[in-house]
Amino acid sequence: IAGITQAPTSQILAAGRRMTLRCTQDMRHNAMYWYRQDLGLGLRLIHYSNTAGTTGKGEVPDGYSVSRANTDDFPLTLASAVPSQTSVYFCASSNLAGVNGELFFGEGSRLTVL
Amino acid sequence: GQNIDQPTEMTATEGAIVQINCTYQTSGFNGLFWYQQHAGEAPTFLSYNVLDGLEEKGRFSSFLSRSKGYSYLLLKELQMKDSASYLCAVMDSNYQLIWGAGTKLIIKP
Repeated sequence: IAGITQAPTSQILAAGRRMTLRCTQDMRHNAMYWYRQDLGLGLRLIHYSNTAGTTGKGEVPDGYSVSRANTDDFPLTLASAVPSQTSVYFCASSNLAGVNGELFFGEGSRLTVL
Repeated sequence: GQNIDQPTEMTATEGAIVQINCTYQTSGFNGLFWYQQHAGEAPTFLSYNVLDGLEEKGRFSSFLSRSKGYSYLLLKELQMKDSASYLCAVMDSNYQLIWGAGTKLIIKP
C-alpha cells in the first residue's frame, strides 16, 4: 500500500541519548516535512525538504537535524534528547513543493524523553 | 505574528449540523486547508480553499472569506465517526503552513 512509513511507532528514551526517527515514502513526492504535535498547540514544523539534496529549517529546528539523500527517505535525528522533546512526531510529504500541495502524513512516532 | 484561532472543543448531536470556525492573521495568504485527525491517528486532508466562497464535498463543506480572514467547516448529517479533531491551516506568503491547535468535535447519540 502506497504511503508514508514511520519508525519506531513509540519509543522511551533517556535524556542525553541520540535518536533517529525514520520516514520513508513511496509516492515519489518531492517535498517532505517533519512536524511535532503537542497538546494544545498546532502542528509545528521542525525541518522540511523541497527536493532530494536540500533541507530547510522550520519553526522549531533547535536540537534536531535532518538529511535527504534520496527522494524516499527523510530521517530526523535528535543528537542529545531532552525532556522538552517529548512529543508526537509526524512525517509528511506532498507532491508540490509548497503550492496547493495536500500533505500526506505518516502514522506518527510517539517519543518520551525521561 | 501569525495566528490561527479555532474553538478548542465543540459538542454536537448525531444527525445534526455543526459549523467549526477558523480565523487567521498571517503574512500573506496562499490557501487554507482543513484536516481531520482521529485520536491517536495521523491528520488526513479534507478541503482546500484559495478563493472566496463555498466548496462542497459530500457531507462536508468549507467556506472562505479572505477579506475577513475567516473560514468555516460545515459538517452535515453528523455521524459518530465524525468525532475527531479538525485542524485549520493557512499557507502564508512563504508557502509555509501555519496550523491552528485544532477543534475537538464530540458527537453525542
